[in-house]
Amino acid sequence: AQSVTQLGSHVSVSEGALVLLRCNYSSSVPPYLFWYVQYPNQGLQLLLKYTSAATLVKGINGFEAEFKKSETSFHLTKPSAHMSDAAEYFCAVSSNAGNMLTFGGGTRLMVKP
Amino acid sequence: EPEVTQTPSHQVTQMGQEVILRCVPISNHLYFYWYRQILGQKVEFLVSFYNNEISEKSEIFDDQFSVERPDGSNFTLKIRSTKLEDSAMYFCASSEDRGLTETQYFGPGTRLLVL
Repeated sequence: AQSVTQLGSHVSVSEGALVLLRCNYSSSVPPYLFWYVQYPNQGLQLLLKYTSAATLVKGINGFEAEFKKSETSFHLTKPSAHMSDAAEYFCAVSSNAGNMLTFGGGTRLMVKP
Repeated sequence: EPEVTQTPSHQVTQMGQEVILRCVPISNHLYFYWYRQILGQKVEFLVSFYNNEISEKSEIFDDQFSVERPDGSNFTLKIRSTKLEDSAMYFCASSEDRGLTETQYFGPGTRLLVL
């Protein structure tokens, strides 16, 4: 069975500071990993995904994530936080079973002025 | 940009009543999904649907749940006899193809409250 753990249900950073949101996965097969963002009153929007083509994945809004097999991690980073980045972020892994996504618990990012 | 839409955005119902949650997937997508998120908990997979059949369902998706594509555009989730613990945000999603790297596009959700 696959699972995803997101360390830190809440992360607070100052505007302009580095954003680091942690995601660790457990999978018996090569994983395919996703980061989604949810803004208030909106659906989940794809930020980026790891498809085994490259370990460093660049996404929208300046976010990127690096797949590290040795650490079973797929942490999300952004060099400089913006107020508009305040949202909830979800890491997920896909499986063979009907393409279901297994989500982590989510991390709420707060950006202080 | 095409998007998944869901109606209603909020629904309040009495325990034991039937509810139907509606979704309009992106028009050229072939795979459809329902997920739910109970307040404070993880987003959980309920069911995937392709070619008018359920592809996969989770343990949560028991006999009180059903899905249907009644016409060429809508995709519905029916809960036959709602329970208090069905209170959650329900998300519909769709994808163009079935591959493991396919992006699932999510709707804004329907918040269901069972009293």
